[in-house]
Amino acid sequence: GENVEQHPSTLSVQEGDSAVIKCTYSDSASNYFPWYKQELGKRPQLIIDIRSNVGEKKDQRIAVTLNKTAKHFSLHITETQPEDSAVYFCAADNTDKLIFGTGTRLQVFP
Amino acid sequence: DAEITQSPRHKITETGRQVTLACHQTWNHNNMFWYRQDLGHGLRLIHYSYGVQDTNKGEVSDGYSVSRSNTEDLPLTLESAASSQTSVYFCASSEMNRAETQYFGPGTRLLVL
Repeated sequence: GENVEQHPSTLSVQEGDSAVIKCTYSDSASNYFPWYKQELGKRPQLIIDIRSNVGEKKDQRIAVTLNKTAKHFSLHITETQPEDSAVYFCAADNTDKLIFGTGTRLQVFP
Repeated sequence: DAEITQSPRHKITETGRQVTLACHQTWNHNNMFWYRQDLGHGLRLIHYSYGVQDTNKGEVSDGYSVSRSNTEDLPLTLESAASSQTSVYFCASSEMNRAETQYFGPGTRLLVL
């Protein structure tokens, strides 16, 4: 079955700096890779996703890259702001369900 | 507006008791999922359903059961609650048969004493 590893588990950056979170997956049949953001005490919410026919996708300050050959994908946040502080989860599809990484706690210091 | 809700939002119970957590969505989504979230483990899949009368086990299904009698609801039952089942439980739903965006409920915080 699919296994998703996520690194780092914690990440601290200064406001305005960039943050990068990386995930690897094991099943070459996976085609859908979403990223979720979870603020403290809240539900996970989708922030961006990418499919296997695309190498990169951007939405304002966030971007996701996918390398299918190496089976890894990454979330990039530029010009970080304090409101970016949250736990971020990557996931990969496995048949008709998602397998999640263990999460990255991002702290953005003013 | 369509939404996904969970009840109760907080629950305290004793070991050995049966507990049922409710999940209700009004999007008419075929797929529904139950996860538990624990520090260091992320979101782990408990059970899931692709439609009425369909249920499947996830990676941490022992001690849990679900039933799907209609499209809108997927209740999660802890047959005999254990302290190891203290966790935050999230329900989610998605539209298509293929893996698509999952929309999460607000979560239920369960404490088993």
